[in-house]
Amino acid sequence: AQSVAQPEDQVNVAEGNPLTVKCTYSVSGNPYLFWYVQYPNRGLQFLLKYITGDNLVKGSYGFEAEFNKSQTSFHLKKPSALVSDSALYFCAVRDQRSNSGYALNFGKGTSLLVTP
Amino acid sequence: DAGVIQSPRHEVTEMGQEVTLRCKPISGHNSLFWYRQTMMRGLELLIYFNNNVPIDDSGMPEDRFSAKMPNASFSTLKIQPSEPRDSAVYFCASSSDFGRGRAIGNQPQHFGDGTRLSIL
Repeated sequence: AQSVAQPEDQVNVAEGNPLTVKCTYSVSGNPYLFWYVQYPNRGLQFLLKYITGDNLVKGSYGFEAEFNKSQTSFHLKKPSALVSDSALYFCAVRDQRSNSGYALNFGKGTSLLVTP
Repeated sequence: DAGVIQSPRHEVTEMGQEVTLRCKPISGHNSLFWYRQTMMRGLELLIYFNNNVPIDDSGMPEDRFSAKMPNASFSTLKIQPSEPRDSAVYFCASSSDFGRGRAIGNQPQHFGDGTRLSIL
């Protein structure tokens, strides 16, 4: 099965500083990778995806992610963090579940705390 | 556009009772997913449907859990009988990720705000 790993349970960043949330993947073939964000008492919201093409993917709210095949990584980045970016972030990878279906395997999540 | 709608938002009930969670996917979406989120186990896929047909239910914990999708605009997840260890937040998600007779897996899933279930 395809899988992702998020090595950090929590990331702390000061407002205005760049942030990185790490994700590594383990897949056979070409990966389809996603980032989602979850705010308290809300469902997950899609941020961005990598399917093919440019290794730098731009998404919602100023976030971007860099696909690195040699390092099997898909780290989420933002040049300048906001306090409102504080949330739980999930990396996910497409996984084939049957001959007719795909689903997403999610990482365990990384809690981002941006302090004023 | 309305997003994925789940009801109820909160449910508190006693062990042994039947619990039914409801989901209305985004209109036009043809894939629907049920997830469970807990602190211990994170986000787990329970079951998913393509065009109202269950594709993979390997994540359903046991026979006490069942899910149906009678039409494209409604799905239920039922727990009978419920147990305290079923306490979790249950999410429904939908996507339009289906082409040429099979899912492709390249479209984002849209999540509802979940049902927080507490079994006493």
